[in-house]
Amino acid sequence: DTAVSQTPKYLVTQMGNDKSIKCEQNLGHDTMYWYKQDSKKFLKIMFSYNNKELIINETVPNRFSPKSPDKAHLNLHINSLELGDSAVYFCASSQWEGGNGAEAFFGQGTRLTVV
Amino acid sequence: KQEVTQIPAALSVPEGENLVLNCSFTDSAIYNLQWFRQDPGKGLTSLLLIQSSQREQTSGRLNASLDKSSGRSTLYIAASQPGDSATYLCAVEGNKLVFGAGTILRVKS
Repeated sequence: DTAVSQTPKYLVTQMGNDKSIKCEQNLGHDTMYWYKQDSKKFLKIMFSYNNKELIINETVPNRFSPKSPDKAHLNLHINSLELGDSAVYFCASSQWEGGNGAEAFFGQGTRLTVV
Repeated sequence: KQEVTQIPAALSVPEGENLVLNCSFTDSAIYNLQWFRQDPGKGLTSLLLIQSSQREQTSGRLNASLDKSSGRSTLYIAASQPGDSATYLCAVEGNKLVFGAGTILRVKS
């Protein structure tokens, strides 16, 4: 069973389009994340949701809008796509364990190419 | 602001060698440190997680150490194999998970 699954795996689209990436986790975790990995392979957090509530928003353009219908799903909608949005987007989840923090589990990534 | 640095950026070794990957971080107020593996075009696989109160963790041929006070961690890989070739990422968790840029490892057969 896939713990954190994202769809689609690949997404090629034209500039100006609107697209969505879906993420689901079956681990029962209470926190979900979106990360962006740029062309230099650097991973940076974009958003974090805990029990469907936004807790981290890392100065991401408001063209990016995460939506969490329930704590097992966190979808990413992107409006008016730009060339610079081309990257690999990773979804992740974790379960807060108090003073020990949380081990993060990642999906396989969605490679977005904007042409 | 937490910054994570990984050295070396790339490493090429012959099969069978023992090797060490280094990770340093600037803010010691962390809950844990995780080492991940990323294969080309693939997602991240968690290798080891060290809680802030721990000094090391072991899994098979992998051993990770943590010195929180000095802001350092090492990942030791024993008897390296071609299948170990991948990018290894270090990440520390404070109020969020912050990643290093990774070490690209190539093990030659």
